[in-house]
Amino acid sequence: GAGVSQSPRYKVTKRGQDVALRCDPISGHVSLYWYRQALGQGPEFLTYFNYEAQQDKSGLPNDRFSAERPEGSISTLTIQRTEQRDSAMYRCASSLVSRGFGGSPLHFGNGTRLTVT
Amino acid sequence: SQKIEQNSEALNIQEGKTATLTCNYTNYSPAYLQWYRQDPGRGPVFLLLIRENEKEKRKERLKVTFDTTLKQSLFHITASQPADSATYLCALEGGSQGNLIFGKGTKLSVKP
Repeated sequence: GAGVSQSPRYKVTKRGQDVALRCDPISGHVSLYWYRQALGQGPEFLTYFNYEAQQDKSGLPNDRFSAERPEGSISTLTIQRTEQRDSAMYRCASSLVSRGFGGSPLHFGNGTRLTVT
Repeated sequence: SQKIEQNSEALNIQEGKTATLTCNYTNYSPAYLQWYRQDPGRGPVFLLLIRENEKEKRKERLKVTFDTTLKQSLFHITASQPADSATYLCALEGGSQGNLIFGKGTKLSVKP
């Protein structure tokens, strides 16, 4: 099967607009993660889900950021009232089993490049 | 505070030599540590996982060690090739919630 799919690949938006980034994980994968990656840096954790339950949202920068995974498959990361500092690569990853079960590898998508003008 | 450090931002070596990358961490007690490879414009790709009770793990030309006393993992690529040029990231499980925290990465360049 297909890997993790993210859309759109690129998103340019004006400051103050809301954006929704979509992630379609590998079929059957239990856990889904959102990361943000700046150029030359490692991925920065934002939030993760087991099935439809959001397990940890401690990495979300502020309350303008939210995520959902209502049916335990596709996930949406929403950023409200975007600001220029939100510009970054947003990456989604999925893993077969949930965290804590021996360290299941993450499979990453190619990301959504968000630019806020 | 919790911290993951990868020894250098960039490492340049000659083809055929062994590349050694370092990952140090503080204020974590991870049950395992993972290494990923990332090519420009792509997402990270999983390479190896090593658990706290394992000293060493091998996969083809790759070798990872894990010293929980030193709080350090070493990642070796033997007989390096130009195709090994990429950024290598270490990651470990942080906190009680089980999120996976990444280091900044080391950019490896293998010259022919």
